[in-house]
Amino acid sequence: NAGVTQTPKFQVLKTGQSMTLQCAQDMNHNSMYWYRQDPGMGLRLIYYSASEGTTDKGEVPNGYNVSRLNKREFSLRLESAAPSQTSVYFCATGVLDGRTDTQYFGPGTRLTVL
Amino acid sequence: AQSVTQLDSHVSVSEGTPVLLRCNYSSSYSPSLFWYVQHPNKGLQLLLKYTSAATLVKGINGFEAEFKKSETSFHLTKPSAHMSDAAEYFCVVSERSSASKIIFGSGTRLSIRP
Repeated sequence: NAGVTQTPKFQVLKTGQSMTLQCAQDMNHNSMYWYRQDPGMGLRLIYYSASEGTTDKGEVPNGYNVSRLNKREFSLRLESAAPSQTSVYFCATGVLDGRTDTQYFGPGTRLTVL
Repeated sequence: AQSVTQLDSHVSVSEGTPVLLRCNYSSSYSPSLFWYVQHPNKGLQLLLKYTSAATLVKGINGFEAEFKKSETSFHLTKPSAHMSDAAEYFCVVSERSSASKIIFGSGTRLSIRP
């Protein structure tokens, strides 16, 4: 039972390159999220998926796209990377039902865009 | 609109002394409140949560927090700090069952002096 896994752990890109960050969960949760973490700013929501087949924008979606491939997998794509996207990216899954309301986080992907 | 403010960006205490990490929130609805801990180069781990049950919430590793509606606060405390408590702590507010309305504080870095 791995919980939430993310690949890769580290990545360096040049400006304009593209890449996809992968996230998978084995917790059977409906909701999945992508956040970015920047120094002094906490975590900011990029996109989320409340259930398989649905995705919605969060606070900072510009420059990103997502795919909810199935219940387990939620990927984040940078089509044309920019230095402003240098950050640590966290995937999370969770249950928001008024009773549990807890998120579970992956270990993160540290991305540097040169 | 909801918001969360962590009043200290950095707190330093001696090992064995009490810990107080302060968090104030603003919410139009009855919120859920959480504290997460992030150790260096790791993902976030849930410490404790408040979801309208008891106002004094006990979490893992001896931490607890008290929900005070009149003061709109959810401060995190621990009676005796341990070296392993050194980490970043995030206060989080969410409107119940709303995936897009999860707001993270900017974080408080806790340092423990030997």
